[in-house]
Amino acid sequence: QVQLVESGGGVVQPGGSLRLSCAASGFTFSSTTMHWVRQTPGKGLEWVALMSHDGSNKYDADSVKGRFTISRDNSKNTLYLQMNSLGAEDTAVYYCATGVETAMVDWGQGTLVTVSS
Amino acid sequence: QTVVTQEPSFSVSPGGTVTLTCGLSSGSVSTSYYPSWYQQTPGQAPRTLIYSTKTRSSGVPDRFSGSILGNKAALTITGAQAEDECDYYCVLYMGSGIYVFGTGTKVTVL
Repeated sequence: QVQLVESGGGVVQPGGSLRLSCAASGFTFSSTTMHWVRQTPGKGLEWVALMSHDGSNKYDADSVKGRFTISRDNSKNTLYLQMNSLGAEDTAVYYCATGVETAMVDWGQGTLVTVSS
Repeated sequence: QTVVTQEPSFSVSPGGTVTLTCGLSSGSVSTSYYPSWYQQTPGQAPRTLIYSTKTRSSGVPDRFSGSILGNKAALTITGAQAEDECDYYCVLYMGSGIYVFGTGTKVTVL
C-alpha cells in the first residue's frame, strides 16, 4: 500500500532554513506527481507546491514563492521541500501527498515545523 | 486574491443528509475547476473523499457524493454517521498548476 513518511521538521529561528523529506513506497514514485500541503496550528489547509513526475514542471503558492523550492530524487523515491527565509507564518504541519488527476489522493502523517526564536 | 468559500459549520442528525458547498469569492465553480473534497479529524492527516467533482476515492463509502449545485461545488453526506463528525475541505484547481483550499466546514453530528 502507499506509504508516505515525512521527516526533517523541527524548531528553527526566524530567517533560518530547513529541508523536509518525504520518503515514498508502495507505488511507482517516478510516475506520480507530488504535492506539499501545510496546516497552521488550529487553522485550515494550504497548498504549498507540486512537482510533476519527472521534475520537469513545478509550481508553488504565492505565499512561498522565492523562498521554498520543491524537488525530487526518483532514484531514492524521495520528495523534498527546501525552505529558506522562514518566518512565524511558516509554522505548520507539512504534509506530502500523491497527485492523481487534479487532486491530492494519498497523504503522509506530516512533520511539524516551528519557527521561533 | 482568490478566496474559496465554505460554510464555517453545519449540524446534521444521525441518519440525516447534509450538503456542504464550495464557492468562489468572485465567479462560479464549474467542473473545469476539478473540485475535490477532503475529510480531516483533528490531529490526523487529511483523507481524500472526492476528486474531479464526483469521483470517489478508493474505499470511500457511497454515502459521500460530489456534484455541482448552481455556481458551487457540493459534497453531500447521505445517512450521516457519528464518525462523519470532523472538518471538511474543498480544493479548486485554478489552472497553471495552482491549487487553492477552501476555508473548511466543521460538521457536527447530533
